[in-house]
Amino acid sequence: SAVISQKPSRDICQRGTSLTIQCQVDSQVTMMFWYRQQPGQSLTLIATANQGSEATYESGFVIDKFPISRPNLTFSTLTVSNMSPEDSSIYLCSVATGTGNIQYFGAGTRLSVL
Amino acid sequence: DAKTTQPNSMESNEEEPVHLPCNHSTISGTDYIHWYRQLPSQGPEYVIHGLTSNVNNRMASLAIAEDRKSSTLILHRATLRDAAVYYCILLMNTGFQKLVFGTGTRLLVSP
Repeated sequence: SAVISQKPSRDICQRGTSLTIQCQVDSQVTMMFWYRQQPGQSLTLIATANQGSEATYESGFVIDKFPISRPNLTFSTLTVSNMSPEDSSIYLCSVATGTGNIQYFGAGTRLSVL
Repeated sequence: DAKTTQPNSMESNEEEPVHLPCNHSTISGTDYIHWYRQLPSQGPEYVIHGLTSNVNNRMASLAIAEDRKSSTLILHRATLRDAAVYYCILLMNTGFQKLVFGTGTRLLVSP
């Protein structure tokens, strides 16, 4: 298993600003994922982040809007840039580790953009 | 990605068994059936997964149809804490992969 800590747990931001979300894992993992969950909706994958390589973004998500860093095997950040009210969502990171392709999720960052 | 179909919501009483169905008629031979659940205000958590045979763990049981076109997650005695959205997801067992979440089933548990 893996224990994941996300910071901040929630934030209220002004439009046009940027927020960086941190994801810390208690063990070394190869793959980390960032998801978005819009109000009342299911989760949608933003990107996959492997250590030492560029993140791979899903259709509809671009690096300029959601830059991701993955400096080591236990840490990643997601930045939500130039925010608008439409970016109000819960952002979650997850890691894949162990056998069976099981993923473990953080509690998420609840973002409100005014 | 092969698709899954789940009922939008189900209701149960506390301490009764709950059977959550999932249809996956286009499943391929290498797809594993995974179940996750998301409790209120939390990230999803892994519940169970299987390929062909029925599986049991401390959280639940997974019953897989012989033709693998459907499966059922079984909670043997529902508790109030089991109220969550349950997601049925298909994954190929070829390395770590992204999870594609459908709409899931919202389980309501009454005391």
